[in-house]
Amino acid sequence: KQEVTQIPAALSVPEGENLVLNCSFTDSAIYNLQWFRQDPGKGLTSLLLIQSSQREQTSGRLNASLDKSSGRSTLYIAASQPGDSATYLCAVSQDAGTYKYIFGTGTRLKVLA
Amino acid sequence: SQTIHQWPATLVQPVGSPLSLECTVEGTSNPNLYWYRQAAGRGLQLLFYSVGIGQISSEVPQNLSASRPQDRQFILSSKKLLLSDSGFYLCAWRPSGPWLDTQYFGPGTRLTVL
Repeated sequence: KQEVTQIPAALSVPEGENLVLNCSFTDSAIYNLQWFRQDPGKGLTSLLLIQSSQREQTSGRLNASLDKSSGRSTLYIAASQPGDSATYLCAVSQDAGTYKYIFGTGTRLKVLA
Repeated sequence: SQTIHQWPATLVQPVGSPLSLECTVEGTSNPNLYWYRQAAGRGLQLLFYSVGIGQISSEVPQNLSASRPQDRQFILSSKKLLLSDSGFYLCAWRPSGPWLDTQYFGPGTRLTVL
């Protein structure tokens, strides 16, 4: 059974720092991996989607990497800002027919001004 | 453009009462639809998914049921709520088809069972 773990559970950093969020999964047979952002009491917003054959994806200050064989993904946030404060979730999909996601428990990020 | 709606936004219900949460998607046809629950201190858990009208798959045994009476409407129900049903319920959709695409999430419903 696939399990997705995110470390750390919470993180507090001063504004301007570069930071790395980690996601690990137990079964490397994934179809894709996705990083989401969730603001308090809100739905999820997609940040980056990495296909299983890809190594990384970039969008603005965000860069996500995928090492499928080792069951790991990292989300790199450059020059963090207070507006980046949110919970970050990673999710893996193993089923190419239904595209069901298995989510990690998230990393709660707080960027201090 | 496509939009997803959920209502109500918040709900407080007594134990043993019925439940009906609604999700609708606009601007697309034949989407895959999903219901997730996010309990306090826990991750997002997939409850149900649907790849077409009347086609519902349940991921976990529980006190809830789902229905898809129309192509872009997904309903989550319960006949008698339990305290453990409290949580944040999220509906999501995805374009049907084999291409790579994300799931798009609704704003969620906060359910408190007292």
